[in-house]
Amino acid sequence: DAGVTQSPTHLIKTRGQQVTLRCSPKSGHDTVSWYQQALGQGPQFIFQYYEEEERQRGNFPDRFSGHQFPNYSSELNVNALLLGDSALYLCASSPGLAGGYNEQFFGPGTRLTVL
Amino acid sequence: AQSVTQPDIHITVSEGASLELRCNYSYGATPYLFWYVQSPGQGLQLLLKYFSGDTLVQGIKGFEAEFKRSQSSFNLRKPSVHWSDAAEYFCAVAPNGGATNKLIFGTGTLLAVQP
Repeated sequence: DAGVTQSPTHLIKTRGQQVTLRCSPKSGHDTVSWYQQALGQGPQFIFQYYEEEERQRGNFPDRFSGHQFPNYSSELNVNALLLGDSALYLCASSPGLAGGYNEQFFGPGTRLTVL
Repeated sequence: AQSVTQPDIHITVSEGASLELRCNYSYGATPYLFWYVQSPGQGLQLLLKYFSGDTLVQGIKGFEAEFKRSQSSFNLRKPSVHWSDAAEYFCAVAPNGGATNKLIFGTGTLLAVQP
């Protein structure tokens, strides 16, 4: 079992560009959540996908959007990049919505740098 | 609003010494509490969690945590630290009674281990 995988590992973009990050959940998991971890901070919840729908959203602007595919993999899209979007983006998967009950498994993250 | 505070940004301990990492939470109802560890280049790994019942929770890698409602605390402990424990540790709370995957993280404590 490969666990949660994310691609790419690192990414450099310039302000105003758009970026797409990808996540494959752990085998058997159908729920994917995305977190943003700025340098020196704890992860912050962006949103969660289940059954190809966004189920809950944190305090992030509409520039952040996502998608979940029928095979449960997910994408995070960020439009009109700002310098403050530079962070480690973490994907987490779990079996079902109740991640508070079911352990969430985190991927190694994608390091996004916005210049 | 729910929040998690980790008062110690950095802690250095000697190998073989005991360890306690502090975590205070703000949450109205019975909290669902977690401790995660993050090593460089790795995703977050769950050490232990508390939902209810016995207030002393055992986790992986020899860690334990004690839930103290009167102090709103969930401190992580280990009786003897190994060099491989050097990492960043995050305390988290699941709002909504754990019914979703959203976790609220503290800012983390970076642990250094001296030989």
